[in-house]
Amino acid sequence: GEDVEQSLFLSVREGDSSVINCTYTDSSSTYLYWYKQEPGAGLQLLTYIFSNMDMKQDQRLTVLLNKKDKHLSLRIADTQTGDSAIYFCAETLVNFGNEKLTFGTGTRLTIIP
Amino acid sequence: DAGITQSPRHKVTETGTPVTLRCHQTENHRYMYWYRQDPGHGLRLIHYSYGVKDTDKGEVSDGYSVSRSKTEDFLLTLESATSSQTSVYFCAISEPTSYEQYFGPGTRLTVT
Repeated sequence: GEDVEQSLFLSVREGDSSVINCTYTDSSSTYLYWYKQEPGAGLQLLTYIFSNMDMKQDQRLTVLLNKKDKHLSLRIADTQTGDSAIYFCAETLVNFGNEKLTFGTGTRLTIIP
Repeated sequence: DAGITQSPRHKVTETGTPVTLRCHQTENHRYMYWYRQDPGHGLRLIHYSYGVKDTDKGEVSDGYSVSRSKTEDFLLTLESATSSQTSVYFCAISEPTSYEQYFGPGTRLTVT
């Protein structure tokens, strides 16, 4: 079965890079996602990567995938106060299509001025 | 929030009462989902729909039912609310050709 794990908290100084980590267990073809949740809001899809890719970059966001270790990371460059949020890693199996997203518990990112 | 609204946004109800939450989308997406969010658990899938009148259970479906009579609306019903169903409920939508799910703003439900 699928299991997605994340650390619960991360504090970073404004202007530094933030690296949020996630591990997953399923070895099948998957899509892996990063969602952002600001206080009182829904989840915003930030980016996603297919399991045959190693890296994806989108402006300040870089996703790195280590397939051997089943480790996914999200790097936010030049972290700003607006990046304060909970970040969720999620996984879906390709053969399930869209029916089943498995989420991690979320990492709360706090920015230190 | 990708043309998704949820109603009500907040609700307080008593144990044993029925509750219906509504998700409405304007995107004409075929798939719709209901999740609950609880501390320490992330989001967990309750039920999902892959078309009008086509629904299936997720991992935490006990105590919940759903209905979808129109493409744009997906209803979640708690037949007899319990305190363990106090949670934040999120609706999501997606298309079969895409692996992207988009979420609504959420409904905070408190069962006293």
